[in-house]
Amino acid sequence: DAGITQSPRHKVTETGTPVTLRCHQTENHRYMYWYRQDPGHGLRLIHYSYGVKDTDKGEVSDGYSVSRSKTEDFLLTLESATSSQTSVYFCAISAWGGGGTDTQYFGPGTRLTVL
Amino acid sequence: SQQGEEDPQALSIQEGENATMNCSYKTSINNLQWYRQNSGRGLVHLILIRSNEREKHSGRLRVTLDTSKKSSSLLITASRAADTASYFCATDLLIGGGFKTIFGAGTRLFVKA
Repeated sequence: DAGITQSPRHKVTETGTPVTLRCHQTENHRYMYWYRQDPGHGLRLIHYSYGVKDTDKGEVSDGYSVSRSKTEDFLLTLESATSSQTSVYFCAISAWGGGGTDTQYFGPGTRLTVL
Repeated sequence: SQQGEEDPQALSIQEGENATMNCSYKTSINNLQWYRQNSGRGLVHLILIRSNEREKHSGRLRVTLDTSKKSSSLLITASRAADTASYFCATDLLIGGGFKTIFGAGTRLFVKA
């Protein structure tokens, strides 16, 4: 999976608890992304980062925050988990997001269940 | 509805047959990409076609792009059971001064041995 790891791979949590997912890359790529994948919706972008401490919102960012203090790590936090955030979360990286040739490389995914 | 929509949603064929999946989109794009996802895994990039290209090949894959119809197709020839996966198109388009990649909902392909 192109030097991308995600942790944890599976998590079950309760409504109202905070959850942090971690994405770690060894490719030194500038861009990192967090997506969620739900049946019938494909992949939806939550947040992305274009450098250390540089992040921006995607189309479904409500209820999520991110941080990137090092090139290799991108954290996704669910501030107070809800059942609607039950999903599979994918991290992706790309060398550069500009110019419209943004081939992304995906991690293995984290399956999150919020009870 | 989404920028990229695949058709059909699901496809079941016999090994050795060809599989064709289509993707339609709404706004002008810079590139279009196809990705594959095996069950329980992340997406893997297959092929990229630029807006000024009409056809591209990679092994058993053939991708076409018709910008006048805002559509693309992915053809897998001589399919194998190992081709069973979901296939997604992703459109690269200019939004708000920067490029964004938007994924469709995917086509689930099942190849019977």
